[in-house]
Amino acid sequence: DAKTTQPTSMDCAEGRAANLPCNHSTISGNEYVYWYRQIHSQGPQYIIHGLKNNETNEMASLIITEDRKSSTLILPHATLRDTAVYYCIVEPWAGSYQLTFGKGTKLSVIP
Amino acid sequence: EAQVTQNPRYLITVTGKKLTVTCSQNMNHEYMSWYRQDPGLGLRQIYYSMNVEVTDKGDVPEGYKVSRKEKRNFPLILESPSPNQTSLYFCASISTGSRTEAFFGQGTRLTVV
Repeated sequence: DAKTTQPTSMDCAEGRAANLPCNHSTISGNEYVYWYRQIHSQGPQYIIHGLKNNETNEMASLIITEDRKSSTLILPHATLRDTAVYYCIVEPWAGSYQLTFGKGTKLSVIP
Repeated sequence: EAQVTQNPRYLITVTGKKLTVTCSQNMNHEYMSWYRQDPGLGLRQIYYSMNVEVTDKGDVPEGYKVSRKEKRNFPLILESPSPNQTSLYFCASISTGSRTEAFFGQGTRLTVV
């Protein structure tokens, strides 16, 4: 299974874009990249996922490099409510439903 | 509204006293999972179930049991709780459509003294 590496923590000014990187250099061709976030001690929440194309939804954008070895989650206008731990996850194979959560990145949005 | 309901939210119990944490989902998902979360260790999978009567061990199954007698319910059983099972527990119900989206319960904070 591909492992992911994320920075332990990041700060972002309120209203600015938050760019959260993730390294998954051992990812294989059919493995999807998922992003979840966990606000305080609530259950994690799905944000976005992708295979090789960039993706955008109402919450965020996901940029995956052409070699698929890394990705960046972009929150275009961070708010205080975006303060959370963000998890980058590689699903072993489509339909495995195995989500292995690492330690994630603690994003602090600063007023 | 799509929901995963866990009970209780908070529980303090004594070593060795059997307990059950219930989990119920209303999305007709086949796949459900239990995680525990400890400071510095992240979320670790305890058990998962791919369908009724089909369960399998996750990464940290020791000291836990589960059952899946019906699709909506997936209880977590601690037959003889110990202090090292003090943790925050999450149940997840996972959609198996075009994406692997996990819906998590509110969490159960368990303290074993």
